[in-house]
Amino acid sequence: AQSVAQPEDQVNVAEGNPLTVKCTYSVSGNPYLFWYVQYPNRGLQFLLKYITGDNLVKGSYGFEAEFNKSQTSFHLKKPSALVSDSALYFCAVRDVRASGYSTLTFGKGTMLLVSP
Amino acid sequence: DTEVTQTPKHLVMGMTNKKSLKCEQHMGHRAMYWYKQKAKKPPELMFVYSYEKLSINESVPSRFSPECPNSSLLNLHLHALQPEDSALYLCASSQEETGGYNEQFFGPGTRLTVL
Repeated sequence: AQSVAQPEDQVNVAEGNPLTVKCTYSVSGNPYLFWYVQYPNRGLQFLLKYITGDNLVKGSYGFEAEFNKSQTSFHLKKPSALVSDSALYFCAVRDVRASGYSTLTFGKGTMLLVSP
Repeated sequence: DTEVTQTPKHLVMGMTNKKSLKCEQHMGHRAMYWYKQKAKKPPELMFVYSYEKLSINESVPSRFSPECPNSSLLNLHLHALQPEDSALYLCASSQEETGGYNEQFFGPGTRLTVL
């Protein structure tokens, strides 16, 4: 089965500093990887995805992620954090079922706290 | 319109009640999903509809009954729930889901409390 791991429960960063939220994956075949963000009492919002092509993926709100096949990682990054980036971040991977239908398998989530 | 809407926002129900959650999207998406999410945990997939047919049921108890009346609407009928069913219920949609490369768009969720 496909899986992703988010090793950090929480990441703390000061406003204006670069941020990284880590994600590693374990898949058979080509990985399709996604990042979502969830603000308090809200649904998940799509940030970016890697399907194929350029290893550096740019997404919404200034976020980007680097796909690294040798390290099986897909870390989320932003050059300069904002207090408003404080939220719960989920990494996810496509999981193809025996029926042929695809679903998402989510990591446990990482809480990002940006201090003023 | 790139929005998934869910009603109601909040729902409190007793264990003997029958209620329904509603989800709507007008993006022309052909796949729709129900998830259950506990606080600060990842969403757990419950059901997937593809082209208005139930394609995945994650062994969800029968007290949860999904329905897809048309390609824009998804309902979740609730009956005889347990307190442990209290959670945020999220609806999502995507263009389709056999390829797995389409991102899902999530609604804001319904916060369900079972007394």
